[in-house]
Amino acid sequence: AAGVIQSPRHLIKEKRETATLKCYPIPRHDTVYWYQQGPGQDPQFLISFYEKMQSDKGSIPDRFSAQQFSDYHSELNMSSLELGDSALYFCASSSETKGAVQFFGPGTRLTVL
Amino acid sequence: AQTVTQSQPEMSVQEAETVTLSCTYDTSESNYYLFWYKQPPSRQMILVIRQEAYKQQNATENRFSVNFQKAAKSFSLKISDSQLGDTAMYFCAFDGGSQGNLIFGKGTKLSVKP
Repeated sequence: AAGVIQSPRHLIKEKRETATLKCYPIPRHDTVYWYQQGPGQDPQFLISFYEKMQSDKGSIPDRFSAQQFSDYHSELNMSSLELGDSALYFCASSSETKGAVQFFGPGTRLTVL
Repeated sequence: AQTVTQSQPEMSVQEAETVTLSCTYDTSESNYYLFWYKQPPSRQMILVIRQEAYKQQNATENRFSVNFQKAAKSFSLKISDSQLGDTAMYFCAFDGGSQGNLIFGKGTKLSVKP
């Protein structure tokens, strides 16, 4: 069965640079979630989209933005990167909202030097 | 605000034995969903089991089962016949918001010893 695809899997950036993370949800899933997991931490919700519209926002810095495109893939754009942005970024997709199982991608490991 | 608490940072169990991981949560909602996710060393987040709050019957998936106590706001995970591949970080998660984002506990690191 198809899973959530994230690219790139690993990314190394310098401070103050920008990064773009991509997420391709499971086919026919209309909802995408982004989570950030710092070292030794639990995943923290950043932002979600339903049918290409932002549906909820969590602890996402103003330096970050995201969108969902017409083919349902989503991109997380991160600017003015800081050392503290180094983390594992997960995208998850589901077919509904409340209560539906979220299937997670393998994550993008971002390292900011 | 909804919170999820896992009070056991680390646990270990012998292969083939049974272990129970604890999770409590706080919410004022009556309709919500609870999950256990497993994160092995590969860091992949894998769904273990899901429970709907309005269902009194405890969810079961093969060797994994939960003890859901709604009044006590408790949601523990029991792993029977533990296997070496069960070694992972286990996260309890709550979905109670209208938009469905998950709130995770801090996790319990489970080690299965041969």
